[in-house]
Amino acid sequence: QSALTQPPSVSGSPGQSVTISCTGSTSDVGAYDYVSWYQQHPRKAPKLIIYDVSQRPSGVPDRFSASKSGDTASLTISGLQAEDEADYYCCSYAGSYTRAILFVFGSGTKVTVL
Amino acid sequence: EVQLVQSGAEVKKPGESLKISCQGSGYNFDFHWIGWVRQMPGKGLEWMGNIYPGDSDTRYMPSFHGRVTISADKSISIAYMQWNSLQASDTAMYYCVRLRTIVTTPDFDYWGQGTLVTVSS
Repeated sequence: QSALTQPPSVSGSPGQSVTISCTGSTSDVGAYDYVSWYQQHPRKAPKLIIYDVSQRPSGVPDRFSASKSGDTASLTISGLQAEDEADYYCCSYAGSYTRAILFVFGSGTKVTVL
Repeated sequence: EVQLVQSGAEVKKPGESLKISCQGSGYNFDFHWIGWVRQMPGKGLEWMGNIYPGDSDTRYMPSFHGRVTISADKSISIAYMQWNSLQASDTAMYYCVRLRTIVTTPDFDYWGQGTLVTVSS
């Protein structure tokens, strides 16, 4: 199972919007509505910011939104803020079978706030 | 408050064994899957496998099956991951995570602080 494809980096000025893509296949992103997104600041544990394609956990600002079309999921950060500078990872369910479960992470995207 | 607290950093030699732990608190440990995620130095996240402490049902990502063993002791709310023979390529940060629901979907709503494992001769 290969990692999902994300752009290595995206950047934007404060207040702007940035979108991160997460491209998989008909075996993962395209097959299930189980895509999540994680934010990781340097030397910190990741944090869940989106689950089930577009749902935000409580406490996550509504500046973070997400969607999916076909084999590609997307995360949009609107009104970019300095604290949004971090690495972002998508993760998709890719099936399961006896004694195995397949969760595939994306390759990660570094968001830089200019 | 839900917390996952992991054991401390380890420095090991190739061929040695290791068991790291993840203690859950603030919720019913039996009823949430616990998973393990690897992050090699400067690299991305990789799913390793998960366990349901209530009945010890364990699932592995195929690439890690046979390389690590995941277990849990629900009586003390601790999950473990162990290696029988470490390799230098096992050098990484390892996170334990809680799955948000009983359904095995990739929603990891709580993360441990990470355990850094260094394997070097």
